[in-house]
Amino acid sequence: AQKITQTQPGMFVQEKEAVTLDCTYDTSDQSYGLFWYKQPSSGEMIFLIYQGSYDEQNATEGRYSLNFQKARKSANLVISASQLGDSAMYFCAMREGRDSGYALNFGKGTSLLVTP
Amino acid sequence: GAVVSQHPSRVICKSGTSVKIECRSLDFQATTMFWYRQFPKQSLMLMATSNEGSKATYEQGVEKDKFLINHASLTLSTLTVTSAHPEDSSFYICSASQTGNYGYTFGSGTRLTVV
Repeated sequence: AQKITQTQPGMFVQEKEAVTLDCTYDTSDQSYGLFWYKQPSSGEMIFLIYQGSYDEQNATEGRYSLNFQKARKSANLVISASQLGDSAMYFCAMREGRDSGYALNFGKGTSLLVTP
Repeated sequence: GAVVSQHPSRVICKSGTSVKIECRSLDFQATTMFWYRQFPKQSLMLMATSNEGSKATYEQGVEKDKFLINHASLTLSTLTVTSAHPEDSSFYICSASQTGNYGYTFGSGTRLTVV
């Protein structure tokens, strides 16, 4: 069964606008972590933001924030003030368990295109 | 910050030959290494998990005799694709972690083309 669902295969946003990329997850674990990664065409995985299941506040990292709604099992990524360089694939991922001895499960990704 | 060096970045090999991909953690001890495969426009699929000094655990459907993983030290893990075929052409990427840490450090990936 799919543990991470990203329902938006592709998204467009105009430069300087904000965009929300959706992610829902499925787990019965109490302790888990949620990650967002950016993958440009070069293929490298760039870590953007992390949210632990016990974190009470939504994570923020610069222009990135994570809208964590635990009861709804959603962890949407919000990118504010989009830039042309934000065009890339974005993956939501989940680690079940307390630490990174456990593998990440990735969603299918959302391709974001930022237009001038 | 933590860095994982992955080599080669690109490799083209003939069908039937073997290819070795290396991932080295440069400034930390990678207690666990994860190997992923990514086909074009698809997600990362976990192939195997290896802990230093132990045999790798392979995901269902991944042939352990074809994809040999060695994690003999805390700073080096290798993936060898044996008797490569065109259908093995893919992007392979490693991810390292440390016990007790929550984060993962990815290599830059290897694009394998089998001709």
